[in-house]
Amino acid sequence: QSVLTQPPSASGTPGQGVTISCSGAGSNIGSNTVSWYQQLPGTAPKLLIYNNNKRPSGVPDRFSGSKSGTSASLAISGLQSEDEADYYCAAWDDSLNRNVVFGGGTKLTVL
Amino acid sequence: QVQLQESGPRLVKPSETLSLTCTVSGASISTYYWSWIRQPAGKGLEWIGRIYSSGDTNHNPSLKSRVTMSVDTSKNQSSLKLRSVTAADTAVYYCARGPMTAVTADLDYWGQGTLVTVSS
Repeated sequence: QSVLTQPPSASGTPGQGVTISCSGAGSNIGSNTVSWYQQLPGTAPKLLIYNNNKRPSGVPDRFSGSKSGTSASLAISGLQSEDEADYYCAAWDDSLNRNVVFGGGTKLTVL
Repeated sequence: QVQLQESGPRLVKPSETLSLTCTVSGASISTYYWSWIRQPAGKGLEWIGRIYSSGDTNHNPSLKSRVTMSVDTSKNQSSLKLRSVTAADTAVYYCARGPMTAVTADLDYWGQGTLVTVSS
């Protein structure tokens, strides 16, 4: 059971847009920034979004992040076949045990 | 550029200690936090903990009693020890850089990961 809640799957056709949600609590998303990771099959995760909505160098602007209250979202526009991957949200948690918490991951299928 | 490489035994017996090393190039181990993350086959990511060269650490509470992390600045390496392993500890183990502050979950560089299997 992950601390952050994501839908297990999402899908879209090439060119479409898709949004992946991430729900948390006041001790994590509600009070800290959200990061998003993309994990292509058989590879290590890659930082996709940091500080809620910032993209590291090299990440296409088709990827965008947002946060409101205790929830966050990753939006992907103009879907491409190479976007098919697992996507994870993450946040620092300020509860009794201060640590990084991940969502369970969302498998994105490009139909 | 920054590169991380995990190394260590791929097979560990139940009840023994899993030991991994992360060798960093392109960045000083002394000026960043370094995290360990694991991922069982077909499952999601689990953060194990992070360490700074000063010895400051944060842990996943579910693993804290079994985890020891350390940094060797002379070798630019971070190490992970997980005691009393069981089959449930079988996973791909990653090292990553960050997070740098206790309000973010930014892990900006990752190793390729190493599969550790716990079996007799």
